[in-house]
Order: sequence, then structure tokens, then C-alpha cells
Amino acid sequence: AQKITQTQPGMFVQEKEAVTLDCTYDTSDPSYGLFWYKQPSSGEMIFLIYQGSYDQQNATEGRYSLNFQKARKSANLVISASQLGDSAMYFCAMREGPGNAGNMLTFGGGTRLMVKP
Amino acid sequence: GAGVSQSPSNKVTEKGKDVELRCDPISGHTALYWYRQSLGQGLEFLIYFQGNSAPDKSGLPSDRFSAERTGGSVSTLTIQRTQQEDSAVYLCASSLFGGFDGYTFGSGTRLTVV
Repeated sequence: AQKITQTQPGMFVQEKEAVTLDCTYDTSDPSYGLFWYKQPSSGEMIFLIYQGSYDQQNATEGRYSLNFQKARKSANLVISASQLGDSAMYFCAMREGPGNAGNMLTFGGGTRLMVKP
Repeated sequence: GAGVSQSPSNKVTEKGKDVELRCDPISGHTALYWYRQSLGQGLEFLIYFQGNSAPDKSGLPSDRFSAERTGGSVSTLTIQRTQQEDSAVYLCASSLFGGFDGYTFGSGTRLTVV
């Protein structure tokens, strides 16, 4: 089974509107971390936001927030007030095990977001 | 250095030749990871080094692929007898802890096998 599933290969959003990128995950480890990365056409991987499995509050970073629904094993990324520069690939990733173990990240297949002017 | 450095940024090689890709992690980062990204795809885990522990090689696609990390710092990914399906971007990342900002990626090496 896929550990990280991103069901939206591509999405359009109108500039200034909010958009939600879906991510579901599968793990039996009680300690894990969820990450979102942005990859523009330049190819660099830009860290956006992180949610730990024991975090009580949903993570927020500026215009990015993570809608963490633990029972449903979903970790959707919400981008508010979309900007043209948000057009990129977005990857959801999971680290299984505690943060001090330095375990590898497993990535989903990505969602290509295109912001329309 | 300030970030994860990878070299070369681009590599074109003939089928059947060996290639070496280099990753210089952030100083002090104990963990180093190699990923492969084929065109339009997600990141595929290849190998992971953590401190002095034996590397996790579970993602290497064949025995043509190998990697080493010398002195707990610089890593080299070697692909022997390259095939066209090896064409991809090879990304390296390093981390101290796997916490909220623990994974820093390099800019990648784009490998093209002709």
C-alpha cells in the first residue's frame, strides 16, 4: 500500500482564492511527522510546513496551514490568498518514527498547482 | 557550507558508462539521504546514511547503484553501466534531526543517459 497518497495530479486556482491540496497517509507508527514541500520549475525543494503526530494544534506558517485529521490519516495543505508565484509542484511527505531518529522521508506523487490570473 | 551542495548540476553520459554524483551536506548534519526524481514524478528514496550506522540501502533499484559516505560528511552516489532509464534528477538531502525543519535538499544533479 502507498504510504503517502496525493489524489490530485493537477489543480487550478484563481489568484487570491484559497486552495486545498489533499494528502492521506498510512502508518502504524504512533510517532511520525508530516511535511509539505514546494518544488517550482527550478527544481529546488522548498520546505513549507510540518506537523508532528502528537501536535495538538494544526500547523500554520504564513499563508500555509495544515488541516491535520489524525483519525482520518489526512494532512491537507491549505494555501490562502493564492499568488501567481504559488504555481509549482507540491509534495506531501512523511517521516515514520520520532524526530530525533533522522529517519527518511517518504513522498507522495505530488500535485501540480496552477494559479490563474 | 550554508546549504547542501551537489555536483555536477548536469551530467550527460553515454549508455554503459559509469557516473559519480557528489553531495556535500550541511556541516554537522548526521543524516544524509539520496532520492531520485524521474520527469514529472515524485521522489523515490534510494539510500540513507545516519551517523556511523550501516546505511539503509533498501531503495537502491539494482546492484549497479552504490553509495558511500566518507568521514561522515561528503557522499558519492555511483551508477555503473548506466542505462537510459537511469535518466532522472538525483536529489540529496541532509538532516540533523527529522524535526520540523530538519531536511534540507540540494539543487540536484540532472543525469541524462544517451
